[in-house]
Amino acid sequence: GAGVSQTPSNKVTEKGKYVELRCDPISGHTALYWYRQSLGQGPEFLIYFQGTGAADDSGLPNDRFFAVRPEGSVSTLKIQRTERGDSAVYLCASRGYNEQFFGPGTRLTVL
Amino acid sequence: GQQLNQSPQSMFIQEGEDVSMNCTSSSIFNTWLWYKQDPGEGPVLLIALYKAGELTSNGRLTAQFGITRKDSFLNISASIPSDVGIYFCAGQRQINSGGSNYKLTFGKGTLLTVNP
Repeated sequence: GAGVSQTPSNKVTEKGKYVELRCDPISGHTALYWYRQSLGQGPEFLIYFQGTGAADDSGLPNDRFFAVRPEGSVSTLKIQRTERGDSAVYLCASRGYNEQFFGPGTRLTVL
Repeated sequence: GQQLNQSPQSMFIQEGEDVSMNCTSSSIFNTWLWYKQDPGEGPVLLIALYKAGELTSNGRLTAQFGITRKDSFLNISASIPSDVGIYFCAGQRQINSGGSNYKLTFGKGTLLTVNP
């Protein structure tokens, strides 16, 4: 597609469950970023991929969060044992030469 | 995590008015960016500033990169109803960790409401 796409657009889960959030970057973009945006806040960096490798995961809040990008294109953010505090919009961005292009995000609600 | 100091938090203006918002940081950035986010969408880049002191325009938008590299402002002239949304500043640093990591730090946003 023309832009970054993310699925699902909304995810409601129960505390303690496992969730996966998917990002399809712009074709040919090797750099991919995940951000988390809480209500009333700006996006906060989680993890950066260059190709297949996670080059910077310093923003992941704890070891319940993990992300993969096995073929250097689609990426999946995985959250284990979800907590209510994980509720937020999770944004993905891919970067071309200079600019990060953001997807519409996945709104995660943990009940 | 760190976020930039962005003000004002919200603005309510009449159509046709000019608006100004700014962003400050305690640390230096190599690039300053301004984004707009509409409900249910991701941020969209409006203006990018690459040099300290740079003043850049994009239609009715004007932004400046502060001389100290620790601040930036965005002006919108002659506002129209479709300017409604949340505006974010972001500072960018290049962090070479296994590649070219251009890391963004965002402000908390300015919610702009335009009354027709």
